[in-house]
Amino acid sequence: SQQGEEDPQALSIQEGENATMNCSYKTSINNLQWYRQNSGRGLVHLILIRSNEREKHSGRLRVTLDTSKKSSSLLITASRAADTASYFCATDRGSNYKLTFGKGTLLTVNP
Amino acid sequence: ETGVTQSPTHLIKTRGQQVTLRCSSQSGHNTVSWYQQALGQGPQFIFQYYREEENGRGNFPPRFSGLQFPNYSSELNVNALELDDSALYLCASSLDRAMNTEAFFGQGTRLTVV
Repeated sequence: SQQGEEDPQALSIQEGENATMNCSYKTSINNLQWYRQNSGRGLVHLILIRSNEREKHSGRLRVTLDTSKKSSSLLITASRAADTASYFCATDRGSNYKLTFGKGTLLTVNP
Repeated sequence: ETGVTQSPTHLIKTRGQQVTLRCSSQSGHNTVSWYQQALGQGPQFIFQYYREEENGRGNFPPRFSGLQFPNYSSELNVNALELDDSALYLCASSLDRAMNTEAFFGQGTRLTVV
């Protein structure tokens, strides 16, 4: 079963615009991670936010976490065509040993 | 690119056959996890190996089995292949078996069962 659900399922924007993707989950977590996947290849880690953190930045990426609402958002600012990919959130439930992924958001950035 | 290498990159097998997929973990990582990703879906956890022992297992039947070697590389074996086993198989290595740090994924093996 999948813990996280990304929203929207697909997003199409123009280069230079900002892209926002959301993730909701069902149970308590220790951390939440965002990954990017290009064309059905391997996943690339983007950012990890722990349950006691509310916001984290990495370059053009901004991630927020609201544990009371069991949700997270990923903001990509000033998007580029190279940002075109699927984006997944994944949760870890502490003493657990696995990451539970959502179905992903397919982001298309048009030149 | 991560230091995680998977082989082969693509594979076509017939229903009922057996397959072995291989993964070399990133240097210094003692934990390897395997995921199955069906088309249009997120990765699903199969199992994790930590220091050569299975450390956790997802909702997959026993015909999915694995090994981890002393150098922390790993194999995923699938017996009696079914059409629904067609998927991208991803290996991830990490420093932390509790997944409190980032996981480094390989490029995957695309398995097609016909």
